[in-house]
Amino acid sequence: GAVVSQHPSRVICKSGTSVKIECRSLDFQATTMFWYRQFPKKSLMLMATSNEGSKATYEQGVEKDKFLINHASLTLSTLTVTSAHPEDSSFYICSASHLGLAPTDTQYFGPGTRLTVL
Amino acid sequence: GQQLNQSPQSMFIQEGEDVSMNCTSSSIFNTWLWYKQDPGEGPVLLIALYKAGELTSNGRLTAQFGITRKDSFLNISASIPSDVGIYFCAGQSTDSWGKLQFGAGTQVVVTP
Repeated sequence: GAVVSQHPSRVICKSGTSVKIECRSLDFQATTMFWYRQFPKKSLMLMATSNEGSKATYEQGVEKDKFLINHASLTLSTLTVTSAHPEDSSFYICSASHLGLAPTDTQYFGPGTRLTVL
Repeated sequence: GQQLNQSPQSMFIQEGEDVSMNCTSSSIFNTWLWYKQDPGEGPVLLIALYKAGELTSNGRLTAQFGITRKDSFLNISASIPSDVGIYFCAGQSTDSWGKLQFGAGTQVVVTP
């Protein structure tokens, strides 16, 4: 149980285009989803927290107009990187949690999406 | 930013040896989680700890939630080549609104 998927697994796009990444909880309802960014050989950096049906909460320094997050249902959250530039190239990982799934909000991670902006 | 100290940063061990890594925090946590990440993949949950003093095993892995609630360790016994990867600790405090703080990771390399 507690399976999270991400799509696509890897994407290459031209500078200036927008890219949408989907995160789905496959066998549970995710009350909260989190979006992380990871640079090579570094730990995970939280970008934003999203709760179903409400606006995402962004971490300091993360541009909300650049990284649009939508959490339209209890099983789907999307991250859209708008007007992508080469410096946005990174590994993006989502996680999902549900209070009823574990004693506390244990996060289960997706497999990640490798974004390369040319 | 990270508020967890995870050590060691990397370990090079021979197959069959035991591995030990730990994390310490300046704040009290309600939850300690240990994840393993393979290259190009997302972190996979290994062990979750919810009570101070709790000792939990998952196969050859054992982790403990420190009594002070500010530390945790992970042990891997009799390492095998597939144990290679980066291990992250993560903790959650009462005022974190479900957010996790991550350690910097411990890279484990197992040689035959």
